[in-house]
Amino acid sequence: QKEVEQDPGPLSVPEGAIVSLNCTYSNSAFQYFMWYRQYSRKGPELLMYTYSSGNKEDGRFTAQVDKSSKYISLFIRDSQPSDSATYLCAMSGGPMDTGRRALTFGSGTRLQVQP
Amino acid sequence: NAGVTQTPKFQVLKTGQSMTLQCAQDMNHEYMSWYRQDPGMGLRLIHYSVGAGITDQGEVPNGYNVSRSTTEDFPLRLLSAAPSQTSVYFCASSRGQTVETQYFGPGTRLLVL
Repeated sequence: QKEVEQDPGPLSVPEGAIVSLNCTYSNSAFQYFMWYRQYSRKGPELLMYTYSSGNKEDGRFTAQVDKSSKYISLFIRDSQPSDSATYLCAMSGGPMDTGRRALTFGSGTRLQVQP
Repeated sequence: NAGVTQTPKFQVLKTGQSMTLQCAQDMNHEYMSWYRQDPGMGLRLIHYSVGAGITDQGEVPNGYNVSRSTTEDFPLRLLSAAPSQTSVYFCASSRGQTVETQYFGPGTRLLVL
């Protein structure tokens, strides 16, 4: 079983829809949670970064972390065709700083926003 | 700032050949890393460095060497290329010695025949 599970999609939604992207994980030591966006044939781009449980909002994007359920989510409001990309969750953490020197990634969810 | 740069963008190798993938950053970041991305596998960490002269292995280090002689550069060497090393390779860097705010380069596509 992978440490981080993510549905590969593709997830197809109409423009303007609210998108929900999710990851589950098994390592209870993870404390830092990130979402990356990756356009085709490009490098990943950091969207959101949260520490421990709770919500964080940045424009149309909201990240949620539920450590008790080992479940994280990214919500995209008013989705646009330009949001079409692969979204990768990633996490890190562990004893002292050594646990924060490696990211464990999900395999990514491909999102398509139809005009 | 150019950010994180990688060369070459694309490379074809024959089995057994060696090559070096170049990575440079101009943000004075201490932490640098190399990942490979394969379909369905996500990104997997190969090697990382928390500063000049300091490197460590990640999840999939076999067949790869790294060194960090300067803050700016972190080359990845393939000693004897194998078809299993066909992948897209990404270099990344972040502030401090931890990974929470990593910036990725554009990637190098490697095909080993």
